[in-house]
Amino acid sequence: AQKITQTQPGMFVQEKEAVTLDCTYDTSDQSYGLFWYKQPSSGEMIFLIYQGSYDEQNATEGRYSLNFQKARKSANLVISASQLGDSAMYFCAMREGNNAGNMLTFGGGTRLMVKP
Amino acid sequence: NAGVTQTPKFRVLKTGQSMTLLCAQDMNHEYMYWYRQDPGMGLRLIHYSVGEGTTAKGEVPDGYNVSRLKKQNFLLGLESAAPSQTSVYFCASRPLQRLAKNIQYFGAGTRLSVL
Repeated sequence: AQKITQTQPGMFVQEKEAVTLDCTYDTSDQSYGLFWYKQPSSGEMIFLIYQGSYDEQNATEGRYSLNFQKARKSANLVISASQLGDSAMYFCAMREGNNAGNMLTFGGGTRLMVKP
Repeated sequence: NAGVTQTPKFRVLKTGQSMTLLCAQDMNHEYMYWYRQDPGMGLRLIHYSVGEGTTAKGEVPDGYNVSRLKKQNFLLGLESAAPSQTSVYFCASRPLQRLAKNIQYFGAGTRLSVL
């Protein structure tokens, strides 16, 4: 079974509107972390936001927020006031428990395209 | 402010050739990782290291070897390249601190084509 599922291969959003990118995860660990990374066309991986499984509040970083619904095992990324520079691939990732290498498992990604 | 640096950025190999990808980080991070990214897929872990002199296998280790002789460097080797190893390779590192968010910091990637 996929540990991280991103069901939206591609999405369009109008500039200045908000958009939600979906991510569901599968783990039996009680302690885990969820991450979102952005990959623009230049190729680098840029960390955006982190949510710990024990964090009671949803994480926020500027225009990025993470809608964490633990019971549903979802960790959706919300981008408010989209900008043209937000056009990129977005990856959801999970670190499970206390695995020795603190390894991340990535989803397949969502390509976001912001329309002017 | 270098962070994680990967060399080379691009490389074309013929089947059967060998090469080494170098990852260098200047953040004194303990953990280092090598991932590959194939079209339409997320990153998959090849090998990782939890400290100087240590290495461990990830999800897709076959056909690759790694070494971590110095804390700041993590080398990924392909002894006999195959077309299936055509991919974009990413290196990442993260600090040891227990209270950190375990954020991994990535290099810019190496695009490898095996003909």
